[in-house]
Order: sequence, then C-alpha cells, then structure tokens
Amino acid sequence: GQQVMQIPQYQHVQEGEDFTTYCNSSTTLSNIQWYKQRPGGHPVFLIQLVKSGEVKKQKRLTFQFGEAKKNSSLHITATQTTDVGTYFCAGGDGTASKLTFGTGTRLQVTL
Amino acid sequence: GAGVSQSPSNKVTEKGKDVELRCDPISGHTALYWYRQSLGQGLEFLIYFQGNSAPDKSGLPSDRFSAERTGGSVSTLTIQRTQQEDSAVYLCASGYGTVYEQYFGPGTRLTVT
Repeated sequence: GQQVMQIPQYQHVQEGEDFTTYCNSSTTLSNIQWYKQRPGGHPVFLIQLVKSGEVKKQKRLTFQFGEAKKNSSLHITATQTTDVGTYFCAGGDGTASKLTFGTGTRLQVTL
Repeated sequence: GAGVSQSPSNKVTEKGKDVELRCDPISGHTALYWYRQSLGQGLEFLIYFQGNSAPDKSGLPSDRFSAERTGGSVSTLTIQRTQQEDSAVYLCASGYGTVYEQYFGPGTRLTVT
C-alpha cells in the first residue's frame, strides 16, 4: 500500500533559525495536504497542493509539491516559539478524499 | 458553528471489555474518518465514510474493531474484547467540499489496563 515518510523525525532549532521538513511518497499522489498538531492538541489543516511543481506561501511558511508529485516540503523561515508542534503531510491517492498521513516531524523551538 | 466533538474525552477500561467511542461531525460534512494515534506517533487510518457509499474499512486492524455512521451524521467506533495494545488516542475527522480538508475532533484517549 501507499507509504508516506517524513524526515527528519525531530528537529530542535533556536528561535529565528529556519526549518524544513520533507515528505516522500512511495506512489504518485493526486494531492497533498499539510497539518500541524500542537502538543496535546489535534491536527489542524494548513494547506493543500494539487499541481505538479506548485508552491504556496502562508506568511513565513512555504509549501512545495514536487514535479513528479511524489514529494513535498514545508519550509518555515525565522521560526518562532509558536511554531512548536508536529507537522504532518498527508497524501491523496485520487480516490474520493482518503489521505495517507506521513510519519510527522516534531519541531521544538527554543529561545 | 460547532466543530467536531468526540466523547468520552478519556476512557479507562479493563482488558477484555468492549468500548464505544462517539463522534459528532460538523453538520453537513459528508466525509467522516477515524484514526488512531499512539503516543508520539503518526496517524493510523482506521475507517472512512463518504455519504451513502459503503465505508472503506481497509484500515481496521482486526475484526474486534467496527464502526457505524447513522443517518449520515454521528459515528460510533466499537472495540470488542479490548487489548492493551489498543491503548491510544482515537481521533475523528469530518470533511466537505472540493478541498476535503479534514477537521479533527479533540480525540478520545483510551487506556486499557
């Protein structure tokens, strides 16, 4: 079945440093979504990418979808303590809206 | 309006007992999902309901797990003869529209002793 891996599993940065998490699928995806889960909370939708090579920005966050639609990345510029949490990518296989969630990257930001 | 709600928020049960977990999705959402998340781990897909279509049960780990969705709204996840490895947070999510972003509930933390 479809597998979605993320690297790194964990990253610890100092506030102001940049952060990137990478998402890789074993199969071609129809779409990819990104979610953020704060400690003790539930996943919250951030964005969806659909087109090959698509790039979207949300303030300090930049999301990319690979040309082959098998990988994606999330880059955070100048991290803040409010960025702490686990970031999950979730890939769609083209069926009605079922997603396969990635393994997640836990981000810790310290002053 | 209200978000996705789940009950109970916490459940402690003895090994071998049956448990029922409830999910109230956002009104009008046609898609409903159940996931399981063990401590510090990712989201494991369990089951997916979409409108009146037959559910996708491909993620259910064993025949001890079952789920219903009544009237296209409320869903109940039932775990029979619970085992210690069933201990986890069970998350429900609902969705609607072309984006099909998933709105998650707060989860039910299940502990099997």
